[in-house]
Amino acid sequence: GENVEQHPSTLSVQEGDSAVIKCTYSDSASNYFPWYKQELGKGPQLIIDIRSNVGEKKDQRIAVTLNKTAKHFSLHITETQPEDSAVYFCAPSGRYSTLTFGKGTMLLVSP
Amino acid sequence: EAGVAQSPRYKIIEKRQSVAFWCNPISGHATLYWYQQILGQGPKLLIQFQNNGVVDDSQLPKDRFSAERLKGVDSTLKIQPAKLEDSAVYLCASSLSGEDTEAFFGQGTRLTVV
Repeated sequence: GENVEQHPSTLSVQEGDSAVIKCTYSDSASNYFPWYKQELGKGPQLIIDIRSNVGEKKDQRIAVTLNKTAKHFSLHITETQPEDSAVYFCAPSGRYSTLTFGKGTMLLVSP
Repeated sequence: EAGVAQSPRYKIIEKRQSVAFWCNPISGHATLYWYQQILGQGPKLLIQFQNNGVVDDSQLPKDRFSAERLKGVDSTLKIQPAKLEDSAVYLCASSLSGEDTEAFFGQGTRLTVV
């Protein structure tokens, strides 16, 4: 099955700083790369995704970059705000379009 | 648009008892997933349905866990008998087609086995 590793496991930044979370995967057949945000007591929610025919995608303060050759993709959050504090998961899609989640990155944005 | 509905929100049972969780996906979504999320970890797929057929149940502990999706809509997940290590949040999600489309998650059921 797909092996997914996510780094770092925790990330503390000051409000206004940028945050970057990296995800590596093993299945070369993966072609869909989403990032989910999970707040306490809630289910994960999609914040941005990218498909394998695109190298970068941006949505306001959030961007995702993909390097299929190296099998990794990254989440970039600029101008962080306290409400960005949450756990972030990468979940590359492999066989049967099954999402395999990483272990998560806890992002803490201090005012 | 209504989201994915799950019940109950919380459940506490003793080990060796049985428990069932219910999920109502978003209307029209063909793909339904059940994930297990142990505290501090990422969600782990237990079973994936496409309409009422099973696509992937390779990580479902079939000696104690079972799931069904009635008429390709609602789904139930059952554990019998429960073990202490089954304590987790059970998340249901659905997507339009499962082919690299967004999965929408419910709030989950928090199970505590004592």
